[in-house]
Amino acid sequence: QKEVEQDPGPLSVPEGAIVSLNCTYSNSAFQYFMWYRQYSRKGPELLMYTYSSGNKEDGRFTAQVDKSSKYISLFIRDSQPSDSATYLCAMSENTDKLIFGTGTRLQVFP
Amino acid sequence: SAVISQKPSRDICQRGTSLTIQCQVDSQVTMMFWYRQQPGQSLTLIATANQGSEATYESGFVIDKFPISRPNLTFSTLTVSNMSPEDSSIYLCSVEPAGGYGYTFGSGTRLTVV
Repeated sequence: QKEVEQDPGPLSVPEGAIVSLNCTYSNSAFQYFMWYRQYSRKGPELLMYTYSSGNKEDGRFTAQVDKSSKYISLFIRDSQPSDSATYLCAMSENTDKLIFGTGTRLQVFP
Repeated sequence: SAVISQKPSRDICQRGTSLTIQCQVDSQVTMMFWYRQQPGQSLTLIATANQGSEATYESGFVIDKFPISRPNLTFSTLTVSNMSPEDSSIYLCSVEPAGGYGYTFGSGTRLTVV
């Protein structure tokens, strides 16, 4: 079993839709949770950073962490074609080694 | 956040040869990380490079295959040695930002071995 599981998609939604992206994990020692966005032929870009459980909101993006279920989510409201990218979840026990999911490819069509 | 310049952005190499990838950061950082991103797979940490000490390699990666240099606090290189087609991948360097939250990545080096 992989430490971090993420549905690879692709996920195709119309512009304006609410998108839900998810990851599950097996290591209960993970404390730091991140979401990265990666455009084609670019490096990953940090979107959201959460420590421990709870919600964090930044504009159209909301990250949720449920440590009891070992489940994290990223919600994108009012999705735009410019949101089309691969979204990677990542997590770590402390502030060094990150464990990544395989990424979910999102396509938002006009 | 730190700005990372990674070179080359892509290369096509013959099997058996070596390629050195450079990573330059616009600020001093303690730790630099090298990742590999293979098609359809998650980013995998190759090694952690601290200035002034030998790199620490993750399971499955060895110094003879992926030698790393870290001559100062803003620069590192990763060499992919004696390449085979299985080494075809995207290689990324990453740094921990000053605030300690999240990581910044370079744009990657897309390597194809033929």
